[in-house]
Amino acid sequence: EAGVVQSPRYKIIEKKQPVAFWCNPISGHNTLYWYLQNLGQGPELLIRYENEEAVDDSQLPKDRFSAERLKGVDSTLKIQPAELGDSAVYLCASSTGTPSTGELFFGEGSRLTVL
Amino acid sequence: GQNIDQPTEMTATEGAIVQINCTYQTSGFNGLFWYQQHAGEAPTFLSYNVLDGLEEKGRFSSFLSRSKGYSYLLLKELQMKDSASYLCAVRDQGRGGSYIPTFGRGTSLIVHP
Repeated sequence: EAGVVQSPRYKIIEKKQPVAFWCNPISGHNTLYWYLQNLGQGPELLIRYENEEAVDDSQLPKDRFSAERLKGVDSTLKIQPAELGDSAVYLCASSTGTPSTGELFFGEGSRLTVL
Repeated sequence: GQNIDQPTEMTATEGAIVQINCTYQTSGFNGLFWYQQHAGEAPTFLSYNVLDGLEEKGRFSSFLSRSKGYSYLLLKELQMKDSASYLCAVRDQGRGGSYIPTFGRGTSLIVHP
């Protein structure tokens, strides 16, 4: 079974430029998460999707960040314009969404460097 | 929201036992996870506790006390490959009955020969 796939793995951009990250979750996982992870810190939730509906997006800086999950499968996270402080690893995770266990399966992340 | 606290860094010797503690404050508690994350890699699931007590899985065990808001991850017979960050994550009930895991900052474990 394929895991969570993210691209690109690495991205270096100048500040004020736009950037987009793509995530394909594990097949059948209806819940998708975008997390941001700074060096030496734990992942911080940006947004969570239940199928195509965005829920729990209170931590998403909506002035510059946007996300979508059309058709309830893969998802994109966009930053426009990027700032120096956005340099981090952007992790995508998926789960079945059932509370019995419902552990998260993470992709390898997209490491963003803003110069 | 949650307040999750775990030590920043720990060191241990190969072959030894190490215990990584996690304390938390939350409402609507619905489970605690431990994840392992090697440098530059994705977090991977280690264990899940929702009831009080000890869950054992090979060299790794995880304990939970809900009344104390406390968990620990116990690693036995340490190997060099166990050097990684260990993330404690607490899941609680969010809006609309959803369940949202929130992560601590992680404990960096260094295993030396």
